[in-house]
Amino acid sequence: NAGVTQTPKFQVLKTGQSMTLQCAQDMNHEYMSWYRQDPGMGLRLIHYSVGAGITDQGEVPNGYNVSRSTTEDFPLRLLSAAPSQTSVYFCASREVTSGANVLTFGAGSRLTVL
Amino acid sequence: AQSVAQPEDQVNVAEGNPLTVKCTYSVSGNPYLFWYVQYPNRGLQFLLKYITGDNLVKGSYGFEAEFNKSQTSFHLKKPSALVSDSALYFCAVRSPDSWGKFQFGAGTQVVVTP
Repeated sequence: NAGVTQTPKFQVLKTGQSMTLQCAQDMNHEYMSWYRQDPGMGLRLIHYSVGAGITDQGEVPNGYNVSRSTTEDFPLRLLSAAPSQTSVYFCASREVTSGANVLTFGAGSRLTVL
Repeated sequence: AQSVAQPEDQVNVAEGNPLTVKCTYSVSGNPYLFWYVQYPNRGLQFLLKYITGDNLVKGSYGFEAEFNKSQTSFHLKKPSALVSDSALYFCAVRSPDSWGKFQFGAGTQVVVTP
């Protein structure tokens, strides 16, 4: 049981480049989400999904796109990277139907935009 | 809107002494409250949660937290701190009506000295 797997762990981009952060979970969790972590600001929700084909915006969605074509995967796309998107990104999932409420986090992806 | 405040950026404690990390929240309705811990270069790990019932909840690694509705607080405590407890601690809240969105505090760095 691998839990939540994020790739890549590290990435350096130039301003204007695009990339996709991958997130996969093998726990059959309905809910998946992306957070960014910045010093002194905690974790801020970017986008989340409550099931395949359903996504919604979080607190800081601008500059990011998501899609959910399968239960297992929830990629985060940066269409035109900006230095303000330099951050550590975390994917998290949770089971919804049992009401467990506990988020399971991936190990994180550190992104630097030059 | 929901919010979480962790008033201390850092808490310093000597090994063997009691540890307290403070958290206050604002949410409509009855809150779902959580504590997570983050070790360096790792994702967040779940420590404990309050959903309903007994105001004192016990979690992993000897941690506990007390829900105080009148003070809207959910402070994390450990009777005797260990050097290995040194980490970044996050409080989080979710309203039952906003089940897609967890709100995290800014985090409190705990430093336990031998």
